[in-house]
Amino acid sequence: EAGVTQFPSHSVIEKGQTVTLRCDPISGHDNLYWYRRVMGKEIKFLLHFVKESKQDESGMPNNRFLAERTGGTYSTLKVQPAELEDSGVYFCASSSLGSEQYFGPGTRLTVT
Amino acid sequence: AQSVTQPDIHITVSEGASLELRCNYSYGATPYLFWYVQSPGQGLQLLLKYFSGDTLVQGIKGFEAEFKRSQSSFNLRKPSVHWSDAAEYFCAVVFSGGYQKVTFGTGTKLQVIP
Repeated sequence: EAGVTQFPSHSVIEKGQTVTLRCDPISGHDNLYWYRRVMGKEIKFLLHFVKESKQDESGMPNNRFLAERTGGTYSTLKVQPAELEDSGVYFCASSSLGSEQYFGPGTRLTVT
Repeated sequence: AQSVTQPDIHITVSEGASLELRCNYSYGATPYLFWYVQSPGQGLQLLLKYFSGDTLVQGIKGFEAEFKRSQSSFNLRKPSVHWSDAAEYFCAVVFSGGYQKVTFGTGTKLQVIP
């Protein structure tokens, strides 16, 4: 069974540009989560989808971040425009009802 | 306030020595508790979890953890460390019950020396 996959593995962009991160959850997992780790700090929750609906987006830092999960399958996280403080590792996780979360390898975003 | 604390940012142990990584949480009830490991260039891998029942939990790669309610702790242990255990270890908690958002500690980087 394939695990959670994320694309790209690493992205380097300039301040003010737009970047879109993609997450493909484990097949059949209705729950999808985004997390972020910034500069050696703790990994922090961003938001949670149940199928295509946003269940909890309390961790989204500001309106420059837009997450979507069309059709309840893969999800994208767009940062527009990117700022220096957005640099970090973005993790995606998925779970089925009542199970633990399985994490992807992360996307390392560097904003210069 | 709900929080997770890993007091050790960096730990160095000799190969073959025992290991204990500390984790404490602040919460009015018993949360769901996890330990994850991130090896260089890899994603987060679940080592073990505790929901209820036996307070000594066995995980993968020879790790175990013990839940102590009186101390609000969930320390990770391994009797004999291997060089391949060098990684960053995260204690994680789900406070609200069920599988909702995970709150992570700041992580402990483990260095293993020959």
